Amino acid sequence: GDSVTQMEGPVTLSEEAFLTINCTYTATGYPSLFWYVQYPGEGLQLLLKATKADDKGSNKGFEATYRKETTSFHLEKGSVQVSDSAVYFCALSDRDDMRFGAGTRLTVKP
Amino acid sequence: DAGVTQSPTHLIKTRGQQVTLRCSPISGHKSVSWYQQVLGQGPQFIFQYYEKEERGRGNFPDRFSARQFPNYSSELNVNALLLGDSALYLCASSQNSATNEKLFFGSGTQLSVL
Repeated sequence: GDSVTQMEGPVTLSEEAFLTINCTYTATGYPSLFWYVQYPGEGLQLLLKATKADDKGSNKGFEATYRKETTSFHLEKGSVQVSDSAVYFCALSDRDDMRFGAGTRLTVKP
Repeated sequence: DAGVTQSPTHLIKTRGQQVTLRCSPISGHKSVSWYQQVLGQGPQFIFQYYEKEERGRGNFPDRFSARQFPNYSSELNVNALLLGDSALYLCASSQNSATNEKLFFGSGTQLSVL
């Protein structure tokens, strides 16, 4: 079935460093792709989404491009802040449901 | 507007017991989905309800059941609890039933089975 594999963490960066969190997917159809973020003590929040190939989702300085040829949806940010410390989940939705990756914990140090 | 609210926030049960978790969606949202998040893993889809009807079911045993009420709130029931049912149970709401809709998540109910 459809699935998502994302880069294992944890990831620790210094403030203003460049962030990449890798995500690849397996799907038989044409899923929509998402990044959700979970801050400590809170529920998951949608960070960005892309619904078709070559779409770029962006929000709060984060970007991800739906790459059909490499079946990837990597999350990037040019300069991370301490407030970006959270767990990031890559997800896809197909006809039936939403499937999440295992999550990548990001810690940003001042 | 209030977000998705779940109750209780924490729950401790023993093996074999039954548990009911509750969820109130965002006002105007007609779809509620339930997810199980085991520590260190991503959320796993359990059920989706839309307009009081089940629209989707994940790969969970029949011990798991749910329902949606006329006011769109929802309950998740788990019977004959096992140690492996210990997890964070998340409820998410959306405006309609499309699987690519933006989901709004509650903070979850942490269930511990002893």
